[in-house]
Amino acid sequence: GENVEQHPSTLSVQEGDSAVIKCTYSDSASNYFPWYKQELGKGPQLIIDIRSNVGEKKDQRIAVTLNKTAKHFSLHITETQPEDSAVYFCAARKLTGGGNKLTFGTGTQLKVEL
Amino acid sequence: GAGVSQSPSNKVTEKGKDVELRCDPISGHTALYWYRQRLGQGLEFLIYFQGNSAPDKSGLPSDRFSAERTGESVSTLTIQRTQQEDSAVYLCASNPLGGSYNEQFFGPGTRLTVL
Repeated sequence: GENVEQHPSTLSVQEGDSAVIKCTYSDSASNYFPWYKQELGKGPQLIIDIRSNVGEKKDQRIAVTLNKTAKHFSLHITETQPEDSAVYFCAARKLTGGGNKLTFGTGTQLKVEL
Repeated sequence: GAGVSQSPSNKVTEKGKDVELRCDPISGHTALYWYRQRLGQGLEFLIYFQGNSAPDKSGLPSDRFSAERTGESVSTLTIQRTQQEDSAVYLCASNPLGGSYNEQFFGPGTRLTVL
């Protein structure tokens, strides 16, 4: 089945700096790659996603890039703020009949320090 | 509007007991998912319901785990004869169509501790 690896597991940056989180996936049939943010005590929330027909997508301070050949995708957060501190999960969806089953990475704890 | 709700928020049980976890999806969402999140780990898919179709149970780790859903409403996840390794946060998510590319809306989770 699909396997998603995520690095780093923890990341500390100074406020205003950029943060980059990287994921790789194993199944070339995967075609949808969302990123979720999970704040303490809450469920994950979608922050951005990318489909396999594009290489990059941006939404204000957040961007995601996808390299289908290398089977990896990355989350970029610019001008980080304290409220960006959370756990971030990447995920991949495999093309199968029916369903919307996501395979998640193991998460990155991002800490933005003042 | 109301999001996905789960109850209880916390559950402490003794090894060998059965537990039931409840999920109320967003009204109108036809697809419902259960995930398990162990401490410091990613989300592990358990089961998926889509309308009246047969559920995808491929992620259930053992026959001690089962889930039901009544129509397009409430779902319950049951764990029988709980073991310490069942300790985790159990997350429920729903989405409107269950098709490609749709966002999954997560509840806050139930933290299960098996003593």
